[in-house]
Amino acid sequence: DIVLTQSPGTLSLSTGDRATLSCRASQSIRNNYLAWYQQKPGQAPRVLIYGASNRAPGIPDRFSGSGSGTDFTLIITRLEPEDFAMYYCQQSGDSLYTFGQGTKLEIK
Amino acid sequence: EVQLKESGGGLVQPGGSLRLSCVASGFTFNIYWMNWVRQAPGKGLEWVANMNQDGSQKHYMDSVKGRFTISRDNARNSLFLLMNNLRAEDSAFYYCARWNNAADVWGQGTMVTVSS
Repeated sequence: DIVLTQSPGTLSLSTGDRATLSCRASQSIRNNYLAWYQQKPGQAPRVLIYGASNRAPGIPDRFSGSGSGTDFTLIITRLEPEDFAMYYCQQSGDSLYTFGQGTKLEIK
Repeated sequence: EVQLKESGGGLVQPGGSLRLSCVASGFTFNIYWMNWVRQAPGKGLEWVANMNQDGSQKHYMDSVKGRFTISRDNARNSLFLLMNNLRAEDSAFYYCARWNNAADVWGQGTMVTVSS
């Protein structure tokens, strides 16, 4: 199985800051099939990015994804109050999909 | 409105069984892969299983292989997860999710608690 390791575990920033979240895979992800999700307490996750760098419909352009192979990044520019949440990466390059353990983005 | 709604969760003893259901509405169910994802309280997301449009391909995470069975009824726009020989570590919210390059539509989840 492909193991995804997200870092940092917790990121403390302020509104207006830039957030950089990392997702590293234990092996190369086929076709860069890597997605990012946001989850707020009591809610189901929401997809932000698919295919490593494609924004899902309705996602603001302050969210961007990049990377390939084993190293992927989610960048959120100009943090808004509603952006403070949990973030997960997920790979679907292998027949057994896996999630990273998550990064908590909290208000500093 | 595009929607998924899960049901069937509850309290079950270790070794017991439960069958989860997920009903889809607002989209053409039979053209999508479908997934089950779970989340223990206060923990991260864990992909459980998925299946393709006609049910000919199914995949499971290692810890549920041989115990869980994913299935679907396209005529009823429904996805199922039959869970046998349940363990305490299977306790979680179980979400069904539509796959469209990613899990782009999620249900609200149904809680499964395995405890004596």
